[in-house]
Amino acid sequence: DAGVIQSPRHEVTEMGQEVTLRCKLISGHNSLFWYRQTMMRGLELLIYFNNNVPIDDSGMPEDRFSAKMPNASFSTLKIQPSEPRDSAVYFCASSLKGGTTEAFFGQGTRLTVV
Amino acid sequence: RKEVEQDPGPFNVPEGATVAFNCTYSNSASQSFFWYRQDCRKEPKLLMSVYSSGNEDGRFTAQLNRASQYISLLIRDSKLSDSATYLCVVNVRNNDMRFGAGTRLTVKP
Repeated sequence: DAGVIQSPRHEVTEMGQEVTLRCKLISGHNSLFWYRQTMMRGLELLIYFNNNVPIDDSGMPEDRFSAKMPNASFSTLKIQPSEPRDSAVYFCASSLKGGTTEAFFGQGTRLTVV
Repeated sequence: RKEVEQDPGPFNVPEGATVAFNCTYSNSASQSFFWYRQDCRKEPKLLMSVYSSGNEDGRFTAQLNRASQYISLLIRDSKLSDSATYLCVVNVRNNDMRFGAGTRLTVKP
């Protein structure tokens, strides 16, 4: 297995544009986490899915952020419209059983909103 | 109060030193605890799980104190390659996975 795959690796966009980040889970994993990492705030949990169902989205900053899992192996995180303060590294991670087992991270998407 | 708190450091230690990190968590019902390591501009990777009785993996020892709600990581005989950010991880609610802000370690020759 190739591990968790995120795309794109880097994204530079203008304020106001829509941004879509993509994540392919490890086959057989049923839990997915989206995190955002900045120097100031560290790794923040944005949303957590289990068996394709969002369990906790309390970390999603505001309505501009949305996440979906259209199937068991794929997820998207969308920001519309994007703002400069959204600039960060966005990681997705998958695991077999939520937070009780090891989570494997993708390499992250470095987002810059100018 | 943050759900998972760590001393951000940085810790600068010479090779061969012993260094310890602590992490506190707020939810007394938490069941799973881990230490992850993150190298500069890389993704976090599991270093070790933390078990109730404490556990050791080579030069690394992890401890859990449920009464005081903290976990610790001890690194003995530090190597240059141990330089990284160490993140403690706790499942806070709904089986999620919450990270502390991380403690940066630099091991110097």
